[in-house]
Amino acid sequence: EAGVVQSPRYKIIEKKQPVAFWCNPISGHNTLYWYRQNLGQGPELLIRYENEEAVDDSQLPKDRFSAERLKGVDSTLKIQPAELGDSAVYLCASSPNVHSSTGELFFGEGSRLTVL
Amino acid sequence: AQSVAQPEDQVNVAEGNPLTVKCTYSVSGNPYLFWYVQYPNRGLQFLLKYITGDNLVKGSYGFEAEFNKSQTSFHLKKPSALVSDSALYFCAVRVLYNQGGKLIFGQGTELSVKP
Repeated sequence: EAGVVQSPRYKIIEKKQPVAFWCNPISGHNTLYWYRQNLGQGPELLIRYENEEAVDDSQLPKDRFSAERLKGVDSTLKIQPAELGDSAVYLCASSPNVHSSTGELFFGEGSRLTVL
Repeated sequence: AQSVAQPEDQVNVAEGNPLTVKCTYSVSGNPYLFWYVQYPNRGLQFLLKYITGDNLVKGSYGFEAEFNKSQTSFHLKKPSALVSDSALYFCAVRVLYNQGGKLIFGQGTELSVKP
């Protein structure tokens, strides 16, 4: 079974440029998460989807960040315009429906963003 | 607020010695607790979890963790460390809300195992 797939793995851009990250979760997983991991820190949740509905985007900086999961499967996270402080690893994770899950998340390899 | 704390930024162990990576938690209700490992330039890999039952939980790669309710701790342990265990370790707690849940992670502990 394929795991969570993310692309690109690495992205280097100049500040004020846009960037987009893509995630394909494990087949059948209803819940999709985007986390941000700053250097030397633990991951912090940006947004959580239950199917196509964003049920928690309280930590998403909405002035420059946007996300979508139109058909309830894969998802895109966009930053426009990027700032120096956005340099981080963006992790996508998925999990089955909460009623059939004991809570572990399955993570992709991450997309490392460097903003110059 | 629900949270986890990993009091040590780094743990250094000699190969073959036992290792412990500490985690304490603060949650309302019964905790669901997790340990993940992250190798350089990789995503997080699930190691083990505590949901209910036996306080000693066994997981992948010979790791185990001990749940202690009175001390609100969930320390990760291994009887004999390997150089290949060197990585970043994260403790996490599950929070249920809004039709589902999320994991809240600690700051991480870097484990270094020397030959």
